[in-house]
Amino acid sequence: ILNVEQSPQSLHVQEGDSTNFTCSFPSSNFYALHWYRWETAKSPEALFVMTLNGDEKKKGRISATLNTKEGYSYLYIKGSQPEDSATYLCAFSNAGGTSYGKLTFGQGTILTVHP
Amino acid sequence: GAGVSQSPSNKVTEKGKDVELRCDPISGHTALYWYRQRLGQGLEFLIYFQGNSAPDKSGLPSDRFSAERTGESVSTLTIQRTQQEDSAVYLCASNSGHNEQFFGPGTRLTVL
Repeated sequence: ILNVEQSPQSLHVQEGDSTNFTCSFPSSNFYALHWYRWETAKSPEALFVMTLNGDEKKKGRISATLNTKEGYSYLYIKGSQPEDSATYLCAFSNAGGTSYGKLTFGQGTILTVHP
Repeated sequence: GAGVSQSPSNKVTEKGKDVELRCDPISGHTALYWYRQRLGQGLEFLIYFQGNSAPDKSGLPSDRFSAERTGESVSTLTIQRTQQEDSAVYLCASNSGHNEQFFGPGTRLTVL
């Protein structure tokens, strides 16, 4: 059984605060680590796909890092805005097997940014 | 639109009825996945299609659940004799063969 753990489960911050979330995943048979942003009644939106140990990716005020040897990834949001409020999902895919691309998700971190 | 679409967006049904959920993936995407999220839980994998074949059905929770895909395009997920524990958001995703999966907006199923 592959376990992907995310923390915290929920987070309330004030507009302008910077914040970060953690995702831990199995370090064996690693293939890729995905971060998604999911707003209610919308499609989960891909933020980052990372495959290499030490990867750092950035999109606007959001960035992510990856450590495949120890099995964790961090997602950072700088200067949070109310429109950043959403559930942030981390998902892991492993190498091999018959299920190309199958994702195992964490339970998500619910972010609420208060104006 | 070029995205993944799903229908219906919401479905309320009575316990014991059958339901059918539809997914239209992005044109040309050979891989298609079904996931679901029950209240308070994470997204869980149900089934994976490569073309019209399903090499991994390991996530289907019982034999009341079945899925098919035709023409390497549309997929339907059928739940027979629905139970209250089937209430969830059912998400479909497709993949072109690169790393990124593209998700539809989901079907929210409520079984009364």
